[in-house]
Amino acid sequence: SAVISQKPSRDICQRGTSLTIQCQVDSQVTMMFWYRQQPGQSLTLIATANQGSEATYESGFVIDKFPISRPNLTFSTLTVSNMSPEDSSIYLCSVGEDEKLFFGSGTQLSVL
Amino acid sequence: GIQVEQSPPDLILQEGANSTLRCNFSDSVNNLQWFHQNPWGQLINLFYIPSGTKQNGRLSATTVATERYSLLYISSSQTTDSGVYFCAGGSQGNLIFGKGTKLSVKP
Repeated sequence: SAVISQKPSRDICQRGTSLTIQCQVDSQVTMMFWYRQQPGQSLTLIATANQGSEATYESGFVIDKFPISRPNLTFSTLTVSNMSPEDSSIYLCSVGEDEKLFFGSGTQLSVL
Repeated sequence: GIQVEQSPPDLILQEGANSTLRCNFSDSVNNLQWFHQNPWGQLINLFYIPSGTKQNGRLSATTVATERYSLLYISSSQTTDSGVYFCAGGSQGNLIFGKGTKLSVKP
């Protein structure tokens, strides 16, 4: 399976600031996704990162809050904008290969 | 949307014991996967199993698609099996995750 590198692995941020999370894959992949895992909770799909076009957001997530870039088939970024303590979560990059989903190691975000 | 229910929510085992985790779906799915999240947070894909049975070492999974459930069997559990087990179903582009089963294996 593809090797997925995500950074930063963790960060502590101030309310009102923004953080950009990077996801690098060691091979070209068509399907790339961003998930959120709130403390002690399950995973929720934020959006599908589409190469060369705007991301497809799930209900409850908007582009102004979670802008996503996907400049090529190996790289994507997720920005968490104007952060509040409610944004404290683990953010996970994932890729689809042969019907299976694989995850990066995640970014643990704490907002003070 | 699809609802995914996992049971039990928590499970404590003695090392060497066997266990069965269950996942029920509210509707048919064409993509069903099991994941293990270790205590450090890393998610590992265990099985892609929309139907039938698969085995990988001490783990095996069975999905009965017509009855909308899947089972994950862990045999001879080890402390390294501890963590949270998630099932997820839907389409690859939109998997709905259950709330997970938190497994603790005691030495």
